[in-house]
Amino acid sequence: KNEVEQSPQNLTAQEGEFITINCSYSVGISALHWLQQHPGGGIVSLFMLSSGKKKHGRLIATINIQEKHSSLHITASHPRDSAVYICAVRSPDKLIFGTGTRLQVFP
Amino acid sequence: DVKVTQSSRYLVKRTGEKVFLECVQDMDHENMFWYRQDPGLGLRLIYFSYDVKMKEKGDIPEGYSVSREKKERFSLILESASTNQTSMYLCASSTTSGGFYEQYFGPGTRLTVT
Repeated sequence: KNEVEQSPQNLTAQEGEFITINCSYSVGISALHWLQQHPGGGIVSLFMLSSGKKKHGRLIATINIQEKHSSLHITASHPRDSAVYICAVRSPDKLIFGTGTRLQVFP
Repeated sequence: DVKVTQSSRYLVKRTGEKVFLECVQDMDHENMFWYRQDPGLGLRLIYFSYDVKMKEKGDIPEGYSVSREKKERFSLILESASTNQTSMYLCASSTTSGGFYEQYFGPGTRLTVT
């Protein structure tokens, strides 16, 4: 069993829909990262959080340390949000990556 | 903006060839990393370096070596490429006084070994 599990693996949505991607982990962590990988390979860091909630534009990330669970929400989704979203946890001094959620948003 | 560049976006090599993948960062970061990414497996750490001439094995170092002669450059070397090393290779860098903080990734090199 992977130490970091993401769901769903694939997600399709219509433009404007509210999207949720989930990440569960089984190890103790000091922080959790959400990353976005564009078609072609480039990876961008979206959030790094260790408690509570962070918001950046239409993106919201939450984490529940007790439940070992994090969610990434995208409000008013847009085709340019189409990408692979990767959850990674820092435990204790290295990053452990989930396998990613592939999101496609159609106009 | 932090910029991490990789020498090639796409590379095709033959089995047995020696392959060099280069990564350069322009933000004076202490830490640099090489990952490979395969479908269904997520990113896996091959090697990392926290200082010039320093290197540490990651989770899957077998078949690879690295070189960090200058702070801004971290090279991944496949001594004798094999077909199971066909993958996407991603370089990253970060700055911190200790630990693995936010990492900045390069665009990736898709290597095919035939």
